[in-house]
Amino acid sequence: KAGVTQTPRYLIKTRGQQVTLSCSPISGHRSVSWYQQTPGQGLQFLFEYFSETQRNKGNFPGRFSGRQFSNSRSEMNVSTLELGDSALYLCASSLSGGGIYNEQFFGPGTRLTVL
Amino acid sequence: AQTVTQSQPEMSVQEAETVTLSCTYDTSESDYYLFWYKQPPSRQMILVIRQEAYKQQNATENRFSVNFQKAAKSFSLKISDSQLGDAAMYFCAYNGLRANSKLTFGKGITLSVRP
Repeated sequence: KAGVTQTPRYLIKTRGQQVTLSCSPISGHRSVSWYQQTPGQGLQFLFEYFSETQRNKGNFPGRFSGRQFSNSRSEMNVSTLELGDSALYLCASSLSGGGIYNEQFFGPGTRLTVL
Repeated sequence: AQTVTQSQPEMSVQEAETVTLSCTYDTSESDYYLFWYKQPPSRQMILVIRQEAYKQQNATENRFSVNFQKAAKSFSLKISDSQLGDAAMYFCAYNGLRANSKLTFGKGITLSVRP
């Protein structure tokens, strides 16, 4: 089975721009979660999507948004980029997420640099 | 809210020796999962070991074992016979059992292995 894939792997943007990151989960997985990883804050949960619905959300401003498509692929969007948004963005997929635990499998991440 | 604390930012171990990585957590829930994840440099995060809180027996996966002390809310990872490939960042993480539970990570610890 193919693993979780994320595109693009690297991205450079300037302040004020917006960006869209993509995540394709493992086939059959219906839950996709997004995390932001920075040296200072570590790994922080952004949101989780399950069956095209946002099921859980972390404490991030409204500039961070996401969606999930019927094939379980997910995108996250960051509008009006700030320097502090520079981070590694990880997505993870699992069979169903939440409740009874299903292991999360992580993608390689998208490294976003905001100049 | 649940919190996970990894107080040691870095550790070093001699190849073939044993090292223990510490983790404490705080929660009001009685049932939950605890994890150790490994993130090698520029590589994907992978699950090392998982512990269900309702199980008294400590989890073991080959050279990796945990010391789970539920009353003390402590969850340490022991790596035996350390290998060069064990060099990575290790994250302790918590996940509750409620449908809206999310994976909460500690700040991580960078483990280096000396040849």
